[in-house]
Amino acid sequence: QVQLQESGPGLVKPSQTLSLTCTVSGGSISSGDYYWSWIRQPPGKGLEWIGYIYYSGSTYYNPSLKSRVTISVDTSKNQFSLKLSSVTAADTAVYYCARELGGDYFDYWGQGTLVTVSS
Amino acid sequence: QSALTQPRSVSGSPGQSVTISCTGTSSDVGGYNYVSWYQQHPGKAPKLMIYDVSKRPSGVPDRFSGSKSGNTASLTISGLQAEDEADYYCCSYAGSWVFGGGTKLTVL
Repeated sequence: QVQLQESGPGLVKPSQTLSLTCTVSGGSISSGDYYWSWIRQPPGKGLEWIGYIYYSGSTYYNPSLKSRVTISVDTSKNQFSLKLSSVTAADTAVYYCARELGGDYFDYWGQGTLVTVSS
Repeated sequence: QSALTQPRSVSGSPGQSVTISCTGTSSDVGGYNYVSWYQQHPGKAPKLMIYDVSKRPSGVPDRFSGSKSGNTASLTISGLQAEDEADYYCCSYAGSWVFGGGTKLTVL
């Protein structure tokens, strides 16, 4: 059974960089069938896809966030990570990592981690 | 791309059927058969309920079904049960991924 677990600071100051890591267990992040995504959900609002990475390191980002997002992968640790720069209060959200069957659907999700942007 | 359009809320009594719509454009819902639906209970992660417009993952009851006509996809839940009360989100491939705004299902 594949499991994903997000980790990282729950509080980030405005203008700083949000950094989160997703650890994958029960399966290899290097499986060629899957992409690894970050998705967020502001409190009381809907879901927003942030971007994905393939095990090879190729990435694709939501055009609305592209200028501030970097997703990286560490296959030796079975982890992938998110960096979001120049954060504001609008970036306060629950951040989920998820496994995506390439171009199709998200079948496994982490439990989510709340990141609050506040001074 | 803009979020897909869903009704903010729907409701039904136990045993009844409800349908949740998800309207997009020819660039997303209408252009691909990669529409999926997710159920989210409060404080929990979303759960995949339907993929490829109408397919159900193993373990999802056959009370859940999906369809698509043109630029609008639909999720139908028949034989409503109390545990179906949750938020539901549609999602479509559009070169990248776009979600609907979510629909709150209340079981009366």
